[in-house]
Amino acid sequence: SQKIEQNSEALNIQEGKTATLTCNYTNYSPAYLQWYRQDPGRGPVFLLLIRENEKEKRKERLKVTFDTTLKQSLFHITASQPADSATYLCVTSSGGYQKVTFGTGTKLQVIP
Amino acid sequence: DAMVIQNPRYQVTQFGKPVTLSCSQTLNHNVMYWYQQKSSQAPKLLFHYYDKDFNNEADTPDNFQSRRPNTSFCFLDIRSPGLGDAAMYLCATSRASAYNEQFFGPGTRLTVL
Repeated sequence: SQKIEQNSEALNIQEGKTATLTCNYTNYSPAYLQWYRQDPGRGPVFLLLIRENEKEKRKERLKVTFDTTLKQSLFHITASQPADSATYLCVTSSGGYQKVTFGTGTKLQVIP
Repeated sequence: DAMVIQNPRYQVTQFGKPVTLSCSQTLNHNVMYWYQQKSSQAPKLLFHYYDKDFNNEADTPDNFQSRRPNTSFCFLDIRSPGLGDAAMYLCATSRASAYNEQFFGPGTRLTVL
């Protein structure tokens, strides 16, 4: 089964800097990969989806890369703000709607 | 706004006393999921429905059951809650297409006394 590794330690960065979060998967190359944001006591909220044949995806201040050789995705938040503080979950899928695997997430703290 | 709604947001039950959590959606999605999430852990899929077709995960305990009477509603029944079942329960929906995101409800926090 797929295993996803995200840095379990919190990431603290200064406001205005770029935050970079890492997601490594260990087994099969997923058909697509997603990133979600989760605030304490709330359900995850979808941010971005990137397909296996895409190298990079952008949405406003967010950027996701997908390197199938390294088995890794990087999630970037540019010009970070305190409101970006949350836990970010990496999710892989082998395709379709059934087989999704969640990572444990990385907690991001943006310091004013 | 189209959304996923979960009730109640907080549920307290006693050890061994059956409890039902509810989820409704206005997105008209074919697929509905139930996840269990414990503190600092990844959401764990319990089961999902594709329309009326029920799909149980292999490691979901028999103590957990689900019903989906129609497209909009889905219920999670915990027949005899144990202390280890205290968690956040998340309902999510998605389209049944090749690439799709999941839309989550706010979750129900279950406490077992």
